[in-house]
Amino acid sequence: QSVLTQPPSVSGAPGQRVTISCTGSSSNIGAGYDVYWYQQLPGTAPKLLIYNNNNRPSGVPDRFSGSKSGSSASLAITGLQAEDEADYYCQSYDSSLSGSRVFGGGTKLTVL
Amino acid sequence: EVQLLESGGGLVQPGGSLRLSCAASGFTFSSYSMSWVRQAPGKGLEWVSVIGTSYGTTYYADSVKGRFTISRDNSKNTLYLQMDSLRAEDTAVYYCVSDRLSCSSVRCNFYFDYWGPGILVTVSS
Repeated sequence: QSVLTQPPSVSGAPGQRVTISCTGSSSNIGAGYDVYWYQQLPGTAPKLLIYNNNNRPSGVPDRFSGSKSGSSASLAITGLQAEDEADYYCQSYDSSLSGSRVFGGGTKLTVL
Repeated sequence: EVQLLESGGGLVQPGGSLRLSCAASGFTFSSYSMSWVRQAPGKGLEWVSVIGTSYGTTYYADSVKGRFTISRDNSKNTLYLQMDSLRAEDTAVYYCVSDRLSCSSVRCNFYFDYWGPGILVTVSS
């Protein structure tokens, strides 16, 4: 069981908007630690998608955005495209576990 | 261009040992903390261990504490993971990742900005 909770799957049609939630607790997201999002395309290594809650590394389209409120965070993808079909993971830090970087269980995005 | 390349994976019997290496290039390796992250077949990501920069402070996930040892050789720009007393549940793709620190006025955060392609470790008899 992952420290951060994500829905196992979400789906949407091309052009639509989807959101993926990431719920933590008072020892991680709720304690003020930032949230990071990674995209893992099939058969490849994960790639940093969003850092410090809502910032995009260079090269990441502005269709991807992040937000954080309280003990939860969300990743939004607008103008859904077929190439967005991937697994998405949230990540933060947990102060109750020494040195521990923690992940969500991952969400499989299917583009219908 | 930042490059991380893992090596040393393969098939090992339960109770056996394996040492993974990660060759780094394209950045000042000695200035970065480095982590190992693994992914069991069909499962999610699990952080395994981190090592600091010069002084080599280390932390481990409870699932590997006492069995795995992370180390680095800054003169060779190489990260290592010594894995002993391997179990079937250690079967996974192991990723070498650069572990970045980002501090705000409230907290210091840790995240992974560059990933290697991964190396498969299979523990089976």
